[in-house]
Amino acid sequence: AQSVTQLDSQVPVFEEAPVELRCNYSSSVSVYLFWYVQYPNQGLQLLLKYLSGSTLVKGINGFEAEFNKSQTSFHLRKPSVHISDTAEYFCAVSLSGGYNKLIFGAGTRLAVHP
Amino acid sequence: SAVISQKPSRDICQRGTSLTIQCQVDSQVTMMFWYRQQPGQSLTLIATANQGSEATYESGFVIDKFPISRPNLTFSTLTVSNMSPEDSSIYLCSVEVTGGTDTQYFGPGTRLTVL
Repeated sequence: AQSVTQLDSQVPVFEEAPVELRCNYSSSVSVYLFWYVQYPNQGLQLLLKYLSGSTLVKGINGFEAEFNKSQTSFHLRKPSVHISDTAEYFCAVSLSGGYNKLIFGAGTRLAVHP
Repeated sequence: SAVISQKPSRDICQRGTSLTIQCQVDSQVTMMFWYRQQPGQSLTLIATANQGSEATYESGFVIDKFPISRPNLTFSTLTVSNMSPEDSSIYLCSVEVTGGTDTQYFGPGTRLTVL
């Protein structure tokens, strides 16, 4: 079975500072990895995904993530955050091959302060 | 991607009643998924709905409590039956677009409060 651990439940950061949201996964088989963002009172929006190929993936809003197979990690980074990045961020994993359920981490609350 | 709408966006219901949530997609999709997000928590899959077949439920979720319909390739409904306050959650549908994008896109969610 697959599982996802988001190591920080909350991350406070000042505007224009860099941020890293950590995600580790566990799986004995090949997986796909995703980061979603949930703004207050909204659904989930896909930030980026790793299916195969280059381990550094770039997403929307200036976010990027690096897949590290040896460390089973998929950390999300942004070099300079904005107030508007304040939201809940979810890391998720699915079995590779498509049409498989997503297993989500507990979420990380990113709070950007002026 | 896909444009997904859900109705209602929110509702307040009395215990013992049922609510049907609709999920509409702007393109044909093979698989639709229903997730529950309890207050302050992450998302948990309720069931997977493939057009033309019975929904597949995850452990802890049963058809009598969460009946699902999938009449065509663009629409699905989830009913929350005989509700109790513990059913207060956000219910989200997601779709995986036909053609192998291997990616799920989510609707805006239905925020349900049961009194």
